[in-house]
Amino acid sequence: KQEVTQIPAALSVPEGENLVLNCSFTDSAIYNLQWFRQDPGKGLTSLLLIQSSQREQTSGRLNASLDKSSGRSTLYIAASQPGDSATYLCAVLGRDDKIIFGKGTRLHILP
Amino acid sequence: IAGITQAPTSQILAAGRRMTLRCTQDMRHNAMYWYRQDLGLGLRLIHYSNTAGTTGKGEVPDGYSVSRANTDDFPLTLASAVPSQTSVYFCASKRTDYEQLDGYTFGSGTRLTVV
Repeated sequence: KQEVTQIPAALSVPEGENLVLNCSFTDSAIYNLQWFRQDPGKGLTSLLLIQSSQREQTSGRLNASLDKSSGRSTLYIAASQPGDSATYLCAVLGRDDKIIFGKGTRLHILP
Repeated sequence: IAGITQAPTSQILAAGRRMTLRCTQDMRHNAMYWYRQDLGLGLRLIHYSNTAGTTGKGEVPDGYSVSRANTDDFPLTLASAVPSQTSVYFCASKRTDYEQLDGYTFGSGTRLTVV
C-alpha cells in the first residue's frame, strides 16, 4: 500500500531565504506526482505536476524534482515571500489510478 | 472560468438528517473524486468515478453514497449524518487517458458540521 510522507510537518523561515520541502513515497510504481498549495480554509491549488518519466518541473520560483528510484520528491522555493505561507501537499498517482496525499507541510514565511 | 463548483460552501446539519453535497465540473473530465480532509489525517478518498455511469469505493466510503448520471455532476450523499462526518469535503476531477498526463483539479470545498 502506497504511503506518502512529508517532513517536516511545519516550517518557519525568514523572508528571502530559499527552502526545500520534502516528500517521500513507498511504492515507486507511479504515474506522476503533484504538488499542491492550500491556504487556510481554502481548496487545493495545483502548483506542479511531474510525470514519472520526468525528473523536474519548474514554474517561476518553484522547482519540483522527482527521484522515483529513491521514492523522493522535493519542492524548492526560491527567495521566499510572506505570500508563500500556506500548507504544501504532495500527492502521488499510482498505477491503480488512485491518488495518495501526504499530510502536508505548513510553511510560515517570517516578514 | 473552467473548474469545479461545490455547494454549499458550508453547512451545519443535525445528526440523523440526510444531506447531499453537490459537485459540478465544466472541464469534461472523465474521473471525479470525493475526499474528506481532517486535521491530523490529511485527505482521504471517499468515493470515486472513473467515468459517467460508474462509481467505486475509496478508503472511507461507509455512510456515504455517490452517483454519476452524467459527466459533469458527482453528488455525495450522507443518508443519515453522524458527528464523525464533520469535516471539510473536497471534490476533484481529472481527465483520464492512457498517458495519465493530467493532474487533479480541486473544488474549493464544503465545510460540514454535524451536531
